[in-house]
Amino acid sequence: QQQVKQSPQSLIVQKGGISIINCAYENTAFDYFPWYQQFPGKGPALLIAIRPDVSEKKEGRFTISFNKSAKQFSLHIMDSQPGDSATYFCAASIEGGSEKLVFGKGMKLTVNP
Amino acid sequence: DSGVTQTPKHLITATGQRVTLRCSPRSGDLSVYWYQQSLDQGLQFLIQYYNGEERAKGNILERFSAQQFPDLHSELNLSSLELGDSALYFCASSAPWGDFEGHTGELFFGEGSRLTVL
Repeated sequence: QQQVKQSPQSLIVQKGGISIINCAYENTAFDYFPWYQQFPGKGPALLIAIRPDVSEKKEGRFTISFNKSAKQFSLHIMDSQPGDSATYFCAASIEGGSEKLVFGKGMKLTVNP
Repeated sequence: DSGVTQTPKHLITATGQRVTLRCSPRSGDLSVYWYQQSLDQGLQFLIQYYNGEERAKGNILERFSAQQFPDLHSELNLSSLELGDSALYFCASSAPWGDFEGHTGELFFGEGSRLTVL
């Protein structure tokens, strides 16, 4: 059973556009929701993370929106750039740490110049 | 560069064989995690070690085993290999738990070991 469902599986946007990646979870005990970014040939790297006590967190062009009642969270990439082309993973865990971090299946983003 | 080192980068072997993947965590990190990445399953958590002791277990097959040594490096042993074991295997490390604002809990991934079983 997949505990974190990510959509879409892939996305193509034009430079300057907005990229939106959605994730839904089932376990209400999750209390830490990070997003990881992976470039080809590299390991994933933490991009941004949120806890459920806030509904939004912004870091530069990247924003996480969190809807606790709907058990959904999303990543918005504003002014998307070709350098943002990568695979994005949402994840969730209990007790706020990286132990037993559950990842979504990933979304491949392509930003065309 | 995450500071996590994995060897080998690529490995090609035959079904039924056994391989060992090695991971050196970031300096000072006590936790080591192993993940398997495949196209259809995404990132699957296999196992975590903390300061030499097994801390958490995920979807790790009985044919797979791991250990963390006193110098904190870790090895993932894969035996009786099957075609379906072909995947990218990532090691990650993290700092000891602390305040969230200090980005505690962040996983630092190595560049992975690509295993191909023929």
